[in-house]
Parts: sequence; C-alpha cells; structure tokens
Amino acid sequence: NAGVMQNPRHLVRRRGQEARLRCSPMKGHSHVYWYRQLPEEGLKFMVYLQKENIIDESGMPKERFSAEFPKEGPSILRIQQVVRGDSAAYFCASSPGQGAYTGELFFGEGSRLTVL
Amino acid sequence: QQQVKQSPQSLIVQKGGISIINCAYENTAFDYFPWYQQFPGKGPALLIAIRPDVSEKKEGRFTISFNKSAKQFSLHIMDSQPGDSATYFCAAGGGSNYKLTFGKGTLLTVNP
Repeated sequence: NAGVMQNPRHLVRRRGQEARLRCSPMKGHSHVYWYRQLPEEGLKFMVYLQKENIIDESGMPKERFSAEFPKEGPSILRIQQVVRGDSAAYFCASSPGQGAYTGELFFGEGSRLTVL
Repeated sequence: QQQVKQSPQSLIVQKGGISIINCAYENTAFDYFPWYQQFPGKGPALLIAIRPDVSEKKEGRFTISFNKSAKQFSLHIMDSQPGDSATYFCAAGGGSNYKLTFGKGTLLTVNP
C-alpha cells in the first residue's frame, strides 16, 4: 500500500497519559500535515512539517502538543498529559515537494484517540 | 481571515436527485478550491478541485461552480446515488500557503 499510513488506528488513553500518533507519508512525499477532526467541527489544521522542520504550527495548542518529522522514520504527533477534550480523530496528510505540488493533500485513514 | 463557511450542515436527497453544497471564503489569496469526500471510518479523499481561472469544472456526475467576485463555490452532484452518501468538505488553499482550510462538512444522505 503506497498510501499515507497512520498508526495506531485506535488508541485509548487515561487522563494524564501520553499519546503518540505516527504517520508515514506517501512514497516520494516530503511534506506532512496533521489535522484534527471533531464531530460537526470539520478538519482543523494543526501543523505542517517538512523533513526535520516545522513550517507552520499555527493550529497547534501551545501546551502538551508537539510534532516532529525526523530525517528518518515517520512523523509523530505527541500529546502529553491527555485530557478528555483531546478525544478526536487525528488525520495525517502528505504532499510532494514544492516543485511537484498541485494543491492536493493525500490523507491517511486517521488515528482515533479516546481519553477515558 | 482564513475561514471557509459551508452549508448546509446536512442534506437528504432522493436517488436520482441533485445534491447542492455551497461554500464561501474570505481570503482572496486562495487559488485552489478542492472538495473532499469522506466515508465513515475513512480519511478524506479528493473528489474534484477547481482553480479560479475557470468558472466551472465537471467530472462525471460532479460539478464545481465557482464565482470569484462573490467568493463562493459550490458542488453539484447530479443523479445522486445511495453510494454518494458521505460527508463532503470544501476547502481552500494556495498562494504562499500550502495548507488547506476546510469547511465544517456536509453530511449527505441519498435515499434509495
């Protein structure tokens, strides 16, 4: 499967625990985006990363949330000390480098976080 | 402002009917307007997209109409089918900004 791969698909955490969500972009894509989806709220942009760089994190909460996209390996969205309000579906999307960018984002199937 | 406003929130259409979903944007720097389709438990997938140099784009039963002066665009689904039942998101992006700003979505139900 050459699509965007996200894992885990489902994650259950208790309040105060840490959640780590992983995303492997499509082959050949070097740009990764994270979006959060809440019921009836649509897709909210969180962060845009290129390899080893955070380009735009204007949608990330200031505390407890962080993201990285290392030179090797998947992008990781990390949520520390989770609270019930963090329960949502988190989607990763990827796009090719600027030279080949068409505007289209390719989404994974999401990671659904439930905080008890 | 980066907001994209989408309506209606939900829509019920009979099989064979026309489904119409509307979106409005504020940022005149946007130059890419896609529609995404999402089935339950799945990620959004690109359905059709338009750039502001044309007023309409058609792909099969799906048509985007674009009104640059009004800063509005809409999705028309002709001959709607039960398999079209999904959530549809409009989005806008472009300029120097590589991210997409999404509307809140429209839950479409097509009754047999």
